Amino acid sequence: KNEVEQSPQNLTAQEGEFITINCSYSVGISALHWLQQHPGGGIVSLFMLSSGKKKHGRLIATINIQEKHSSLHITASHPRDSAVYICAVPMYSGGGADGLTFGKGTHLIIQP
Amino acid sequence: GAGVSQTPSNKVTEKGKYVELRCDPISGHTALYWYRQSLGQGPEFLIYFQGTGAADDSGLPNDRFFAVRPEGSVSTLKIQRTERGDSAVYLCASSLPPDTQYFGPGTRLTVL
Repeated sequence: KNEVEQSPQNLTAQEGEFITINCSYSVGISALHWLQQHPGGGIVSLFMLSSGKKKHGRLIATINIQEKHSSLHITASHPRDSAVYICAVPMYSGGGADGLTFGKGTHLIIQP
Repeated sequence: GAGVSQTPSNKVTEKGKYVELRCDPISGHTALYWYRQSLGQGPEFLIYFQGTGAADDSGLPNDRFFAVRPEGSVSTLKIQRTERGDSAVYLCASSLPPDTQYFGPGTRLTVL
């Protein structure tokens, strides 16, 4: 069964800074998910990626399948980016449709 | 189009009572997932349906928890003899594998 480690647990930065959140997992996977959760809000899927890199606006996600590691980057961070960012992977190796195992999340605060 | 919806949004009950939580997935999504998120933690997997059948119920904590999806669409999570430790946000997600999971807003369950 997969295990997920995410770091840092908490991150406070100034507006405009470049943000990096890291995720590592233990078992080979078909795809990794990056999710966003605002306080009191629901979970929104940001990225699902199985190789390389994806970009959406100021968000960039990368994955290294061999090293079982992924990073989420935010460029030109803004206070509205303040949220909890969660990495999730399928519970089992391969696992295209399996339930997900989640990291504990990174609580990001961007100060004006 | 409509996203995943969950009802009720909040449920307060007394210890020992029975509760039902409902999830309406995105139309056409064959896979449906239930997760539970305790305060300050990442979500934890409970059960996953492919069509009408439970493909993996390994995350259900004990036999007080049961879920059904009789027609392959709407699902109901049922909790008998609720305990204070059952208090959490119960999240539902749906997908059309192998695409990403879409999360509902959750039901906040409070057991007094």
